[in-house]
Amino acid sequence: NAGVMQNPRHLVRRRGQEARLRCSPMKGHSHVYWYRQLPEEGLKFMVYLQKENIIDESGMPKERFSAEFPKEGPSILRIQQVVRGDSAAYFCASSPQGVTEAFFGQGTRLTVV
Amino acid sequence: AQKVTQAQTEISVVEKEDVTLDCVYETRDTTYYLFWYKQPPSGELVFLIRRNSFDEQNEISGRYSWNFQKSTSSFNFTITASQVVDSAVYFCALSEADSWGKLQFGAGTQVVVTP
Repeated sequence: NAGVMQNPRHLVRRRGQEARLRCSPMKGHSHVYWYRQLPEEGLKFMVYLQKENIIDESGMPKERFSAEFPKEGPSILRIQQVVRGDSAAYFCASSPQGVTEAFFGQGTRLTVV
Repeated sequence: AQKVTQAQTEISVVEKEDVTLDCVYETRDTTYYLFWYKQPPSGELVFLIRRNSFDEQNEISGRYSWNFQKSTSSFNFTITASQVVDSAVYFCALSEADSWGKLQFGAGTQVVVTP
């Protein structure tokens, strides 16, 4: 059973471009969480999704950021018009329904140049 | 408000010394979970332990041990006889009843073990 898969592992974007980060949850997991880790900081919750639903987006910046978890396919975190301050590691975690522990992917390191 | 506080930013020890990482949390829930994760220089998050709020029994796993004290809202982590491979950032995290998978992380403690 493969773990949580994130791709790409590293992503470089120029200011103003769009970044798309993908997260394939573990098999059978219907809950996905995205976290952001800014340099030298801890992880901050961004958004919690179930299939086709956003459950909690209290940690998402109000502009340029969006997330989805479609019925089929991976969860996508999308950042439009990236700025240097978006440079960070973005982690995805997944869990089955009703389980307390979330399993983390290896992260995507976004660098905005 | 910060719900998980790791007051130690960095701890440096010489190999074979013990090191204790402090974690203090804040919650109004009676049911919650506490976690420790390790983030080595390679960047991935390695799960170390999960403890629920009803289980205050201390736990030992090899060179790792955890001391959970609800009276002081603390969940401290000790590495015994540290090794160079223990060098990493260690994060404590809290999950509350209203959203189990949503973890609130502390700022992390950098552990540097020198030979």
